[in-house]
Amino acid sequence: DVKVTQSSRYLVKRTGEKVFLECVQDMDHENMFWYRQDPGLGLRLIYFSYDVKMKEKGDIPEGYSVSREKKERFSLILESASTNQTSMYLCASSLDYRDSHEQYFGPGTRLTVT
Amino acid sequence: GIQVEQSPPDLILQEGANSTLRCNFSDSVNNLQWFHQNPWGQLINLFYIPSGTKQNGRLSATTVATERYSLLYISSSQTTDSGVYFCAVHMNTGFQKLVFGTGTRLLVSP
Repeated sequence: DVKVTQSSRYLVKRTGEKVFLECVQDMDHENMFWYRQDPGLGLRLIYFSYDVKMKEKGDIPEGYSVSREKKERFSLILESASTNQTSMYLCASSLDYRDSHEQYFGPGTRLTVT
Repeated sequence: GIQVEQSPPDLILQEGANSTLRCNFSDSVNNLQWFHQNPWGQLINLFYIPSGTKQNGRLSATTVATERYSLLYISSSQTTDSGVYFCAVHMNTGFQKLVFGTGTRLLVSP
């Protein structure tokens, strides 16, 4: 079974703090993704990575950065957390092989910025 | 951009009832996934189905890509089926982007 894990289920941070969200997958997937989920707005793609040290902006990258130093790990960084970044953050991974691109999600991190 | 609409938005069922959830999309897609989001927020993969029909226990899904819709069938529903069901389509925009539907919130009462 594919397993995607995230470092925290719940996180509370103060405005202005630097926040790291970690995601690890154990299936040697090339692609990894970060989404945020908000009521009424659904799931939106923040960033994704298709290889180590490679990254691409998604639909809402402002205020975020990412790091992928190892194939299995993809980090989302909030350089200076703000209250409008309070959200549910979901990490996903997928293979990049022919037509097989099924995405698998981690359990999510509920981040509250006060 | 592509629009992905799900219906109904909300559904309340008695345990043991059957239901059909629908997903309509406005453009051609490479693939489609169905997810169940449980009350703790985790997205559980149900089906990866570009076309045709697949079955997994009490759940089955059918995608008719030429007519741009997919259906998720839940038979003999159980309280553990409660949660939000999402369809998501794969767009080939140079990378594999998932566009999520609006979701169907299902409540199964005992």
